[in-house]
Amino acid sequence: SQQGEEDPQALSIQEGENATMNCSYKTSINNLQWYRQNSGRGLVHLILIRSNEREKHSGRLRVTLDTSKKSSSLLITASRAADTASYFCATVQSGYALNFGKGTSLLVTP
Amino acid sequence: EAGVAQSPRYKIIEKRQSVAFWCNPISGHATLYWYQQILGQGPKLLIQFQNNGVVDDSQLPKDRFSAERLKGVDSTLKIQPAKLEDSAVYLCASSLAWGRTSYNEQFFGPGTRLTVL
Repeated sequence: SQQGEEDPQALSIQEGENATMNCSYKTSINNLQWYRQNSGRGLVHLILIRSNEREKHSGRLRVTLDTSKKSSSLLITASRAADTASYFCATVQSGYALNFGKGTSLLVTP
Repeated sequence: EAGVAQSPRYKIIEKRQSVAFWCNPISGHATLYWYQQILGQGPKLLIQFQNNGVVDDSQLPKDRFSAERLKGVDSTLKIQPAKLEDSAVYLCASSLAWGRTSYNEQFFGPGTRLTVL
């Protein structure tokens, strides 16, 4: 069964704007990861946040985690056309199998 | 460094036929995963190998799906017989090792897009 649920399902913004997508999950986790998928590069790992962390940054990406609300958010600042892709959150309970949500489809227009 | 290789990239078959997918993980990666991604959904784990042993196959429909990883390197995933609902992208991923105390990033292959008619 899929653990995470992303919101919104689809998001359309213009270049230079910020994009925020959210993920909610159901059970306790070891860590939460965000992935990007597009036709050119397939599924690519973006960032991982552990259950004892609250915020993490990587370049233009900022991830937050609220374990009390079982939710996470991914912020992409100063979006570019190349950021157009589907974004998935994935949780890990035990072992390393990833439980993916259904994804947010992001469209960045010039 | 070469990434995860998968073949074929596309496959079209009729229902009740058989099909096999091949995956070659990144050299040195002990853990290999097969995921199924149906259109509009996120990937779902089918099976996880550690070297040539199965760690988790709880979501593998064992009446029609089988997978093996002989010699702990390449892996094949087979569907026999295929159903219409098996139409999906089958993704292979690999990581360095599996364990409960450290994280190892998963690297994904390009996938095999299966269409069952």
